[in-house]
Amino acid sequence: GENVEQHPSTLSVQEGDSAVIKCTYSDSASNYFPWYKQELGKGPQLIIDIRSNVGEKKDQRIAVTLNKTAKHFSLHITETQPEDSAVYFCAGASGGSYIPTFGRGTSLIVHP
Amino acid sequence: DGGITQSPKYLFRKEGQNVTLSCEQNLNHDAMYWYRQDPGQGLRLIYYSQIVNDFQKGDIAEGYSVSREKKESFPLTVTSAQKNPTAFYLCASSPRPVDSPLHFGNGTRLTVT
Repeated sequence: GENVEQHPSTLSVQEGDSAVIKCTYSDSASNYFPWYKQELGKGPQLIIDIRSNVGEKKDQRIAVTLNKTAKHFSLHITETQPEDSAVYFCAGASGGSYIPTFGRGTSLIVHP
Repeated sequence: DGGITQSPKYLFRKEGQNVTLSCEQNLNHDAMYWYRQDPGQGLRLIYYSQIVNDFQKGDIAEGYSVSREKKESFPLTVTSAQKNPTAFYLCASSPRPVDSPLHFGNGTRLTVT
C-alpha cells in the first residue's frame, strides 16, 4: 500500500514569513493529494488539494506543488499569520484502493 | 447545515468495558471512515465503509468493530480486547471512495482507566 512521509514534524516561523511542508509518497499510481489543517480539539479540514494532472495549485496565501517524477508534493504558506498555527497533514491515495494514507503531521507555530 | 457529527466529545470508561462511539452524517456521502489519532502518530485507519452493509478493516482494526446499517450512520465499538484504547477518535465521510476529500467530525476523546 501507499506510504507517505511528511517533514518537518515541527515548524516555527515569525509572522509574515513563509512556511513549507514537504511530503513524499511511494505508490506511483497515486493521483490525488489533499492537505488538511487541524486546530486544537477539532477534526482536520481540507485546505487545498491537487490531482496528478497538474503541477501547482494556488488559493490566496496557500499553494501546493507536485512533482510526480520525484514522488513528492509540498504545501507553501506565504505571509503567515498567528491563526495559521495548527497541525497540517498531507495524504496520498493508493492507486489500488483509493483509501487515503496520511503523513504524521507538521505542527506549525507562527510567532506574532 | 450539512456535516458530520460525533458524540460524545469526551468519554470515560473503565477497563474491560465495551464502548460505542457515534458518528452521523447528513451529507449523503457513500463512504465513511474511522481513524485513531495518537500524539506523533498521525491518523491511522481503523475501519472504512464504501457502501451500506459493507465495511473493511483498516490498518489497526484489532479490538474494534463497526456496523453500517444506514447510509448516514457508522458507529464504532471499542471492545475490551483493544489493548490501548485511550485515544482521540475521528470519523470522516466522502462522496465516493475515489480521489475525493474527507469531511471530518470534531472527534471523540476516549479515556479508559
